[in-house]
Amino acid sequence: AQTVTQSQPEMSVQEAETVTLSCTYDTSESNYYLFWYKQPPSRQMILVIRQEAYKQQNATENRFSVNFQKAAKSFSLKISDSQLGDTAMYFCAFMKPGSNYKLTFGKGTLLTVNP
Amino acid sequence: DAGVIQSPRHEVTEMGQEVTLRCKPISGHDYLFWYRQTMMRGLELLIYFNNNVPIDDSGMPEDRFSAKMPNASFSTLKIQPSEPRDSAVYFCASTLRPDYEQYFGPGTRLTVT
Repeated sequence: AQTVTQSQPEMSVQEAETVTLSCTYDTSESNYYLFWYKQPPSRQMILVIRQEAYKQQNATENRFSVNFQKAAKSFSLKISDSQLGDTAMYFCAFMKPGSNYKLTFGKGTLLTVNP
Repeated sequence: DAGVIQSPRHEVTEMGQEVTLRCKPISGHDYLFWYRQTMMRGLELLIYFNNNVPIDDSGMPEDRFSAKMPNASFSTLKIQPSEPRDSAVYFCASTLRPDYEQYFGPGTRLTVT
């Protein structure tokens, strides 16, 4: 079974600075997908970024980028120019494509952006 | 589109009562997922449907839980009888491509006393 570990329960960053959230996973699969979801205080889960394991290029979405290290099974999220609206829980998630589209989530990291 | 709609947003009930949570997926999405979020266990997939057919219900905790999708625009998650340990936030999500983005509803916070 796949597991996803987020080792930082809480983090804080000053507005406009850069922060990196860590995620590691355990799998024997060679092809899979990785996701970062954001859950603001409103509670709604929102996709931040998605990475396909067979693509070596790191995914980016505006101020959000990932550092995907397949051999190390590491998938960290970097947020540049942090904004107050980035304050949220961030969940790393794993999916093995094919017969079962199950998302396995980590326990989350609570990020607080301070003014 | 209004997004995924869930009702009620909050539900408080007494142990032993039946609880029904409702979900309306985004029109055209043929995958629908039910998740449960608790502090102890995090986010867990309970069950998902494809074209109204349950595909994987291995995450349903026990027989007290049941889910149905009678048509493409409506799904229910029922707990009967409810127990205090069922207290959680229940999310519904839908998508056209399950290996891409799943679109989550706002969740239902269930409290069983």
